[in-house]
Amino acid sequence: DIVLTQSPLSLPVTPGEPASISCRSTQSLLHSSGYNYLDWYVQKPGQSPQLLIYLGSYRASGVPDRFSGSGSGTDFTLKISKVEAEDVGIYYCMQALPTQVFTFGQGTKLDIK
Amino acid sequence: QVQLQESGPGLVKPSQTLSLTCSVSGDSIRSGTFYWNWIRRSAGKGLEWIGRIYATGTTNYNPSLKTRVTISLDTSKNQFALSLRSVTAADTAVYYCARLYASDNDVTYYYGMDVWGQGTTVAVSS
Repeated sequence: DIVLTQSPLSLPVTPGEPASISCRSTQSLLHSSGYNYLDWYVQKPGQSPQLLIYLGSYRASGVPDRFSGSGSGTDFTLKISKVEAEDVGIYYCMQALPTQVFTFGQGTKLDIK
Repeated sequence: QVQLQESGPGLVKPSQTLSLTCSVSGDSIRSGTFYWNWIRRSAGKGLEWIGRIYATGTTNYNPSLKTRVTISLDTSKNQFALSLRSVTAADTAVYYCARLYASDNDVTYYYGMDVWGQGTTVAVSS
């Protein structure tokens, strides 16, 4: 199986400051179609996970533009330009390469300083 | 607005079968536009994808669970179901159903798991 490693695992952030989470894969997630099959999800306290980014860099519907995804192949990053209190939660990357088993990273817990 | 709702027993005895249902409202599971997934979150392992089913009935399972898992459609009730056999304490988790907006080959179009249920907690204990 493809293994995803996130860092850091804990991320305390001051409101208004930027935040960045890394996700590294043991195999390239770049498909022959030209798309990177890497998604980002956040699970806020007491809620189910929700989609932030799909195919590496495409924001899901309704996601604020302070969230952005980048990267290709095996190295990906989720960036929050200015963290708000409502962004507290656990952030997961997930790989969804066609014909592979979907796998998630361990999760990064973001909280407010 | 599409909504998913998990239901099923909150407590299952070891060696028995865990059975959960996900009711879909606001869309038809026969539409052929989505995969219907089961994911779980346990204290020890984080999020784990269990498997998925397409409108055609095609299934894909996590190999680590494949020998114990069946995912099925009930189009008459607009539901899909999870059956996990021979459970142990390691299967204690919050179980989520989710819609994956993707074509059957994941390539023609892919938009991620865009709708999730609220989750249901299942404990395995005697």
